Amino acid sequence: EAGVTQFPSHSVIEKGQTVTLRCDPISGHDNLYWYRRVMGKEIKFLLHFVKESKQDESGMPNNRFLAERTGGTYSTLKVQPAELEDSGVYFCASSLLFGQRNEKLFFGSGTQLSVL
Amino acid sequence: AQKITQTQPGMFVQEKEAVTLDCTYDTSDQSYGLFWYKQPSSGEMIFLIYQGSYDEQNATEGRYSLNFQKARKSANLVISASQLGDSAMYFCAMRPVEYSGAGSYQLTFGKGTKLSVIP
Repeated sequence: EAGVTQFPSHSVIEKGQTVTLRCDPISGHDNLYWYRRVMGKEIKFLLHFVKESKQDESGMPNNRFLAERTGGTYSTLKVQPAELEDSGVYFCASSLLFGQRNEKLFFGSGTQLSVL
Repeated sequence: AQKITQTQPGMFVQEKEAVTLDCTYDTSDQSYGLFWYKQPSSGEMIFLIYQGSYDEQNATEGRYSLNFQKARKSANLVISASQLGDSAMYFCAMRPVEYSGAGSYQLTFGKGTKLSVIP
């Protein structure tokens, strides 16, 4: 069974440019999460999809970030325009059952974003 | 609000020895779950073990066990018989059991502990 796949693994862009990160969850997982780790800080929640709907986007830092999950399969996270403080590792995770007590999140390997 | 504290930025352990990674937490939720994840150099975050605040017994998964002390608000991870492949970053995380609206159900992570296993 394929795990959570993220693309690209690394991205280096200049301030003001646009970057789109992609996440392919485990097949059949309705729940998809985006998290981010900024250097030296904790991993922070960004948003949560249940199928194609945004269940919770309270962690999105500002309107430069746009997440989509068309058709309830893969998801994209677009940053436009990118700023220096957006640098970090962006993780995607998926899970099968939302709301289960020990709901296990399967994480991808992350996308390392560097904004210069 | 929830908070996870991992006070050990880095740890060393001899191969085949046991090691304890510390995790303390703070929450106002009555019921919550505690998770440990491992992140090897490949980058993927791997789920290790789960402990519910309502569980009467400490969780165990193979060589991993969780020393859960609710009154002290600690959930330390114990790895027995360390192996070279255990070298990685380890993250403690928590989440409420019940979903109560936007912002309520996200995983809260600590900063992590980097474990190095010495041959």
